[in-house]
Amino acid sequence: QVQLVESGGGVVQSGRSLRLSCAASGFTFNIYGMHWVRQAPGKGLEWVAVIAHDGSSKYHVDSVEGRFTISRDNSKNTLYLQMNSLRAEDTAVYYCARDFGAVRYFDFWGQGTLVTVSS
Amino acid sequence: QSALTQPRSVSGSPGQSVTISCTGTSSDIGGYNYVSWYQQHPGKAPKFMIYDVNKRPSGVPDRFSGSKSGNTASLTISGLQAEDEADYYCCSYGGTNTLVFGGGTKLTVL
Repeated sequence: QVQLVESGGGVVQSGRSLRLSCAASGFTFNIYGMHWVRQAPGKGLEWVAVIAHDGSSKYHVDSVEGRFTISRDNSKNTLYLQMNSLRAEDTAVYYCARDFGAVRYFDFWGQGTLVTVSS
Repeated sequence: QSALTQPRSVSGSPGQSVTISCTGTSSDIGGYNYVSWYQQHPGKAPKFMIYDVNKRPSGVPDRFSGSKSGNTASLTISGLQAEDEADYYCCSYGGTNTLVFGGGTKLTVL
């Protein structure tokens, strides 16, 4: 069955960096686009970024453009999110999700990893 | 991209029907038939419930249905059950490979 397991979250000071990972299993990773979606404590979902199945194209929401970078290693079945210049407003649970329909939907989600940015 | 607008909460009794609205603009909901809905129970990951406005992924009960008119999409849950109590989020394609969510609606089953 499809499994997505995020890791790398934790407490980090404002302005510092963190890299999240998402280990995928149970499906052919290299034929699917992948997303990161975040949820601030007690708040709604926010789409963060998407990457094509082969890594050839990437898109990020405006609020993280230039600070966050999505990437993938298909040889390791792993998705990444490099987060630089972190701000308090980046505090959230970060979910990785599999793309369905060519950047249209999210059909499977991981359980999330919590990132807390302290000032 | 601005978040889509959903009511903060809705409620209904077991067996009844409820409808959750999701309002966007001509740049998202109104411009594309790529609307989806997700169910999220407390402390859990979201679950894929509706796509292409009104299609259900395998395993989703037919009590869940979707529709769209202009810039507003809707999720209707008929025959409410206790386990339907959750947060529901709409999502729309926003053009240029971006996606935008609604703020979420808390469904209470009375």
